[in-house]
Amino acid sequence: QEKVQQSPESLIVPEGAMSSLNCTFSNSASQSIWWYQQHPGKGPEALISIFSNGNKKEGRLTVYLNRASLHVSLHIRDSQPSDSAVYLCAFYNTNTGKLTFGDGTVLTVKP
Amino acid sequence: DTTVKQNPRYKLARVGKPVNLICSQTMNHDTMYWYQKKPNQAPKLLLFYYDKILNREADTFEKFQSSRPNNSFCSLYIGSAGLEYSAMYLCASSRGGAEQFFGPGTRLTVL
Repeated sequence: QEKVQQSPESLIVPEGAMSSLNCTFSNSASQSIWWYQQHPGKGPEALISIFSNGNKKEGRLTVYLNRASLHVSLHIRDSQPSDSAVYLCAFYNTNTGKLTFGDGTVLTVKP
Repeated sequence: DTTVKQNPRYKLARVGKPVNLICSQTMNHDTMYWYQKKPNQAPKLLLFYYDKILNREADTFEKFQSSRPNNSFCSLYIGSAGLEYSAMYLCASSRGGAEQFFGPGTRLTVL
């Protein structure tokens, strides 16, 4: 069964700092990796995805994927209090059409 | 409009009683999903509809039913609620891809 592990469980950073979140997955054949953001009282919302080894940058977000080590990381530059949320890592298997999620990282950005 | 709506937002049920949760989307997505999420745990896929075809996860096969009377609506039905069913239930939709659009969830409390 496919598994996704996230670390750390929680992270507190000051406003303006870099936030770094990590995720490891069990299946190297995973088709794409996604990061979702969930604010209290709302459903998860897709933030950014990556398919190929290497990195992808969108605005303040950068994702790094290393399939050989089954590791992906999300970095949020210039973190803002509005970035405070739960971040869910997920991998999408095209063969099954399913997303498998990790338990999430709770990010708190202190003003 | 990328809104997925869920009703009700909060549901209180008695042990042994049935529960019916409703989800709707107006994006003409072909796939609709139901997840169960408990605190500090990953969202767990319960079932999904691809068009009119229902796929239920093996470990929850007998616990949950669903119907999709048309493209926009999907329900989740619990025939006899137990205490272990207390959780957040998230509905999502997608157009055959990994980017799923989530509703705000229904918080079910079973007493």
